[in-house]
Amino acid sequence: GNSVTQMEGPVTLSEEAFLTINCTYTATGYPSLFWYVQYPGEGLQLLLKATKADDKGSNKGFEATYRKETTSFHLEKGSVQVSDSAVYFCALSEWNFNKFYFGSGTKLNVKP
Amino acid sequence: DVKVTQSSRYLVKRTGEKVFLECVQDMDHENMFWYRQDPGLGLRLIYFSYDVKMKEKGDIPEGYSVSREKKERFSLILESASTNQTSMYLCASSLGDGGTDTQYFGPGTRLTVL
Repeated sequence: GNSVTQMEGPVTLSEEAFLTINCTYTATGYPSLFWYVQYPGEGLQLLLKATKADDKGSNKGFEATYRKETTSFHLEKGSVQVSDSAVYFCALSEWNFNKFYFGSGTKLNVKP
Repeated sequence: DVKVTQSSRYLVKRTGEKVFLECVQDMDHENMFWYRQDPGLGLRLIYFSYDVKMKEKGDIPEGYSVSREKKERFSLILESASTNQTSMYLCASSLGDGGTDTQYFGPGTRLTVL
């Protein structure tokens, strides 16, 4: 079956620190992979996505590379800001399927 | 920009009440989804719809039903609300073009059942 596993939070960092949030997946076919972000009191917003192996998604200084050999899609940012404090969700969607599979979310707290 | 709106941000209901949660999208998307979000469990799919009047059960459909009479509107119905349905409910929509499809989310409705 399909599933997504992400590191448990919360993750607490100081401003300008390097961020990694780990995400691994299990899929029966050829999934697309996504990172969504949820700011306090809001719904989820798409942060970035990758549709095939070795693709790199990037947005707002965040990056993630689709690694088929390790079934991973880790989220990274070189220098986090207080405004990055949010919950981050890794997700997959299989080709020609409408369903998404979400990880449990990782809360990031960035302190000034 | 895609806009997904939900009828209420906060809702308080009593056990046994019938509850309607409404979701509207303005981008002519084919697919619409209802999730519930609980701490430590992430998002769990309740129901989804890929066309008007079409629906499919997600992972946790028990205690819920849905209605999609118009393309832009997808309603979640709690026939008889119970305290274990206290949760954040998120609606989403997507274009319907397959595996690269992006889901767009509404702001959520935080439902409390007393």
